[in-house]
Amino acid sequence: ETGVTQTPRHLVMGMTNKKSLKCEQHLGHNAMYWYKQSAKKPLELMFVYSLEERVENNSVPSRFSPECPNSSHLFLHLHTLQPEDSALYLCASSQEPELAGAGPSTDTQYFGPGTRLTVL
Amino acid sequence: AQSVAQPEDQVNVAEGNPLTVKCTYSVSGNPYLFWYVQYPNRGLQFLLKYITGDNLVKGSYGFEAEFNKSQTSFHLKKPSALVSDSALYFCAVRAFSGGGADGLTFGKGTHLIIQP
Repeated sequence: ETGVTQTPRHLVMGMTNKKSLKCEQHLGHNAMYWYKQSAKKPLELMFVYSLEERVENNSVPSRFSPECPNSSHLFLHLHTLQPEDSALYLCASSQEPELAGAGPSTDTQYFGPGTRLTVL
Repeated sequence: AQSVAQPEDQVNVAEGNPLTVKCTYSVSGNPYLFWYVQYPNRGLQFLLKYITGDNLVKGSYGFEAEFNKSQTSFHLKKPSALVSDSALYFCAVRAFSGGGADGLTFGKGTHLIIQP
């Protein structure tokens, strides 16, 4: 195990539902990430949080809403999703320099097992 | 913008033979390169990374990778393949956004199949 847990592991939801994905890291890291892995595209970065502040949002639709209440937890709130949003959603964490702009990040990202989401 | 190419969708190797999984990259500035492996219904597991220093990087499970700046490549290698090495392998490059944390840009992945 990598020290990053995700719940639930599987989720089936309708297009009108609201659900949340949860990620927890037990590694003492200060940065967390959401990635999307779908069958037809390479792994895509969705959101980056550094020291609990969002630092990157890769043009993700507003039906995906991240939340990072503290350095150990990351959520992805889902509402009015589309069938094409069905995918494996992966969370990752890393330990990064605390000063923004201090230089490129070299630290390893550790991934959770993912949540397999199916939108009907 | 950075990019990673894995030209082979699938690589087939007989058990005991050496294996190579290819990766080329494009990035402005110094490249920070990673290899991950994914087993069915699992997340990504870190294998190794190149940041600076020796061009030959050694990682987990007997894997190594060779960084070649002139060819912009970072091929994954193992001297003797095991059936248990069969999995999906991803090459990735890290970008510098100035935000204190940077996401990874991944290749599309290569299925490695080791035949007994």
